[in-house]
Amino acid sequence: ETGVTQTPRHLVMGMTNKKSLKCEQHLGHNAMYWYKQSAKKPLELMFVYNFKEQTENNSVPSRFSPECPNSSHLFLHLHTLQPEDSALYLCASSPRRPLNNEQFFGPGTRLTVL
Amino acid sequence: AQSVTQLDSQVPVFEEAPVELRCNYSSSVSVYLFWYVQYPNQGLQLLLKYLSGSTLVKGINGFEAEFNKSQTSFHLRKPSVHISDTAEYFCAVSTTSGTYKYIFGTGTRLKVLA
Repeated sequence: ETGVTQTPRHLVMGMTNKKSLKCEQHLGHNAMYWYKQSAKKPLELMFVYNFKEQTENNSVPSRFSPECPNSSHLFLHLHTLQPEDSALYLCASSPRRPLNNEQFFGPGTRLTVL
Repeated sequence: AQSVTQLDSQVPVFEEAPVELRCNYSSSVSVYLFWYVQYPNQGLQLLLKYLSGSTLVKGINGFEAEFNKSQTSFHLRKPSVHISDTAEYFCAVSTTSGTYKYIFGTGTRLKVLA
């Protein structure tokens, strides 16, 4: 595998379920990000991790719980979600102090909350 | 704070015609500028970036963009589009120091017609 991978690619869950999204990067980067992409809205940065430490939480509801066990893996734990949480969730990575600040994105997980 | 405006939500254009996708930004500090492309069911892919130096930046797939500091714009252009260019295009800015946070525009859907 190369680049940034995300699993699953599609997820349908009920409002009472608990599920997790997984992201893995094979680029040797030290920063990882979760974004939410909803129709007609800009990408929303949710969380930022640098060297496994969370450095940013953009007022994300507590029903979303991130976890970064190491610099290569990032999880997003989901519980008691709402239908409005249905969206494409994108993971990205970048070097910690990049010279060019490019982010590398995974293909996303399409989440549907019933 | 930074902001990005993509005025055109959709741009239809015939194959082999030129296209320009507009991006304006607002920032009180120095920024880097990016264009990303998102093909259906995929994550974002970097097209090109402006960091410093020449204001005309060339990217992949024949795209180019020009940084205009006085007009705070970073419009994307291609002289002759192909059907395969049909995708969503996102303009983004990031600060040049600090947390390197990205701000994305709402995206422009380019539809190339045969």
